[in-house]
Amino acid sequence: EAEVAQSPRYRITEKSQAVAFWCDPISGHATLYWYRQILGQGPELLVQFQDESVVDDSQLPKDRFSAERLKGVDSTLKIQPAELGDSAMYLCASSQDRVGETQYFGPGTRLLVL
Amino acid sequence: EDKVVQSPLSLVVHEGDTVTLNCSYEVTNFRSLLWYKQEKKAPTFLFMLTSSGIEKKSGRLSSILDKKELFSILNITATQTGDSAIYLCAVNTGNQFYFGTGTSLTVIP
Repeated sequence: EAEVAQSPRYRITEKSQAVAFWCDPISGHATLYWYRQILGQGPELLVQFQDESVVDDSQLPKDRFSAERLKGVDSTLKIQPAELGDSAMYLCASSQDRVGETQYFGPGTRLLVL
Repeated sequence: EDKVVQSPLSLVVHEGDTVTLNCSYEVTNFRSLLWYKQEKKAPTFLFMLTSSGIEKKSGRLSSILDKKELFSILNITATQTGDSAIYLCAVNTGNQFYFGTGTSLTVIP
């Protein structure tokens, strides 16, 4: 069964350092989402791609976060510099298209900023 | 502002009990409502609901949508310890998925 792949699974870093997360969606899925989930809360959308284009990045803190999906397949989310408040689970999800009836999540990257 | 609200925030029950989780929503454009189960990892898909009054069922879990009153419920009968998880509700507006904060369910043996 096809799955969304993410790496790394865990990341510990010191504040002010740079971190990057990678996501490979299910093959053929045009829409890719990055979510941040703080403990005890539901996922919050950071950025949504349709192929290689950004559809929605209104909740992305653009002073320190960036995301790209250059070839419309896999994607990278970067944080520079990391802050203590960035400690969270970063989830990647994909769906077949922009109005995809459901989305499939990867295993997530758990980030701890010290 | 689009929003999804889940209740209760947390719930502790004994094995064998039946639980009902609630999800209400206010969105400008509704396409579907989804339920996910999240253990100590990424959410896994349970149900997708698009039509009012049609129950979706999978084993001991069932869910139904009321598009007039703008809510959905997720029922779990004969709960087991393996049902302990956070249950997330999300609404697909066609542009985005809006998630609630989840209901944390703990099932005690």
